[in-house]
Amino acid sequence: DQQVKQNSPSLSVQEGRISILNCDYTNSMFDYFLWYKKYPAEGPTFLISISSIKDKNEDGRFTVFLNKSAKHLSLHIVPSQPGDSAVYFCAASPGTGGSYIPTFGRGTSLIVHP
Amino acid sequence: DTEVTQTPKHLVMGMTNKKSLKCEQHMGHRAMYWYKQKAKKPPELMFVYSYEKLSINESVPSRFSPECPNSSLLNLHLHALQPEDSALYLCASSLGRGLNEKLFFGSGTQLSVL
Repeated sequence: DQQVKQNSPSLSVQEGRISILNCDYTNSMFDYFLWYKKYPAEGPTFLISISSIKDKNEDGRFTVFLNKSAKHLSLHIVPSQPGDSAVYFCAASPGTGGSYIPTFGRGTSLIVHP
Repeated sequence: DTEVTQTPKHLVMGMTNKKSLKCEQHMGHRAMYWYKQKAKKPPELMFVYSYEKLSINESVPSRFSPECPNSSLLNLHLHALQPEDSALYLCASSLGRGLNEKLFFGSGTQLSVL
């Protein structure tokens, strides 16, 4: 039973356009969310995070939006660049106490075409 | 120093071999993790060390044996592996305060078992 779901295995976008990667979760105890980016044969690299007390967090070209009532978050990349082509993992954790280890989604492979 | 360093980067071993994977971080992190990742799948948690003590073992077969000699080092000893154990093995670390943990991953060891 997947608690963190990334229902789109892949996404193809033109350079300069917006990339929107989606993530849904089922565990209402999750209150800290992270996005990781992964190139082939490398470890995931932390990209951006958001706590449940916020609904938006922005870092340069990357913005994460959180809709707690819908248990949904999304990562927006604007403008998309070919170097953004990678697998993006959404992860979620209870934030404090208990099992603080993030649970990962299956990932979305983003391809940005020049 | 914000890196998690893993060695070796690649490893090929036979089913009767004994080998070890090594991981090192100098960020003062007190939680260290081993993950296993197969292609097109999310990272799968194997072990967690918190303050040099094994705190989580996700029912991993005994042919995988973790060791945490000190707060900066984490090893994974391998013995009598099976071909299905071939995967990317990722080490990660985090502050270990149990609060909004952000994991920092190494580049991984790509393991092939023949």
